[in-house]
Parts: sequence; C-alpha cells; structure tokens
Amino acid sequence: NAGVTQTPKFQVLKTGQSMTLQCAQDMNHEYMSWYRQDPGMGLRLIHYSVGAGITDQGEVPNGYNVSRSTTEDFPLRLLSAAPSQTSVYFCASKPWDRGEKLFFGSGTQLSVL
Amino acid sequence: GQQVMQIPQYQHVQEGEDFTTYCNSSTTLSNIQWYKQRPGGHPVFLIQLVKSGEVKKQKRLTFQFGEAKKNSSLHITATQTTDVGTYFCAGPFMDSNYQLIWGAGTKLIIKP
Repeated sequence: NAGVTQTPKFQVLKTGQSMTLQCAQDMNHEYMSWYRQDPGMGLRLIHYSVGAGITDQGEVPNGYNVSRSTTEDFPLRLLSAAPSQTSVYFCASKPWDRGEKLFFGSGTQLSVL
Repeated sequence: GQQVMQIPQYQHVQEGEDFTTYCNSSTTLSNIQWYKQRPGGHPVFLIQLVKSGEVKKQKRLTFQFGEAKKNSSLHITATQTTDVGTYFCAGPFMDSNYQLIWGAGTKLIIKP
C-alpha cells in the first residue's frame, strides 16, 4: 500500500493563479481531510470529507474548494492564490470505524509570490 | 473558543537528558492524541489516550492524560538523536468525530 499520496511536493504560484493539490489514498478510508501548517502554529483544518459526495468546512476554509467524487481522491483547489496561502499543506485520512488515528501524506510546500 | 495550548515551544537538551512537553485544553477532551513530526516530514501518530488519569508507555516515552481530561504530557527519558522533531498534541474539536484541534507543537532540539 502506498498510503496517502500527495502531489506536487513543491509549487510556486503567482498571486491570482489557481491550482489543485492532489491527494489520493489506497486504504479505503472514508474520512479524508486537508490541513495547512504554518510556522509556530499547529495544524489547522481546511476542509474534510466523510465519504464520496460529502464535504464540510473546517477552521480555515476561505479561498479553498474541495470535492470528493471517489473514496480514493480528495483534491484541494485554490481559486485565486494569495500570499497568505503560502504554507505547507497536508492531506490526512482515517478509517471511520477504527479509532481516530490519522494517516498523513508527505505534504505540499506552496509558495505564493 | 476552544483552545489547546502546548508548552514549551522549543526545548534544547543534551543527548541523554530528559524532555517533557505539556498540553492544556480549555475544555474537557474525550481523548487526546500525540503525533511526532520529523524535520521536513509529516506528522506520524504516536498514541491516543482516552481514560482519565491514563498513563501509557512506549519504550522511553511516557504519555499521561490528566484526571480532569484537560491536560496531557509527553515525557521522553534519555533523549537520543532519533527523538529530534516536533511533538504535537491534538484533541476533538467540540467533541466532534470529524475535527481535531491541535497544539502548536514542541520542537525537541539536541544540542551539539
């Protein structure tokens, strides 16, 4: 099993550009989520999904969109990138009925100039 | 709003010394989790504590959950270079099954 796979690992955008961060998991996990990590702060939840077709907002959803058309994939879209979105982004998943342990992807480092 | 405070932000230790990080929640938590993030890496789950007053050990790591279920600690005995990284605590946000609220992390640095 590959676990949780995120692409790309690094990305540089100009202000106003849009892009999609990809996340895929092969563990058949119902729950998937996106976090951002900024220096000196803990992880903050952007959006999450509890199954295909179901998404909801987390703590910091503004400027981001998600969709969940399959169990495996949970892409994160930046609609119009801003310097404040410079961060490290992590995708995480877990099985719904076997505890709370989150499995994280390796992260995407995003810089918005 | 609900907050999880984690202290200290950094701890510099000589290899072989002990390390402790503390996590304090503004609300009672149904459980608390601990994760480790190596430099340049992603968070990796260490343990979950559920019961009031619970103590769990993993080799040189000791995890405690307070009696009131509002605080927790992680203690590492005789640190090694492999312990370097940032340790995070996290608890359910508003008792949600869907959202965690995270501490800011404590970075363990081994002095050269």
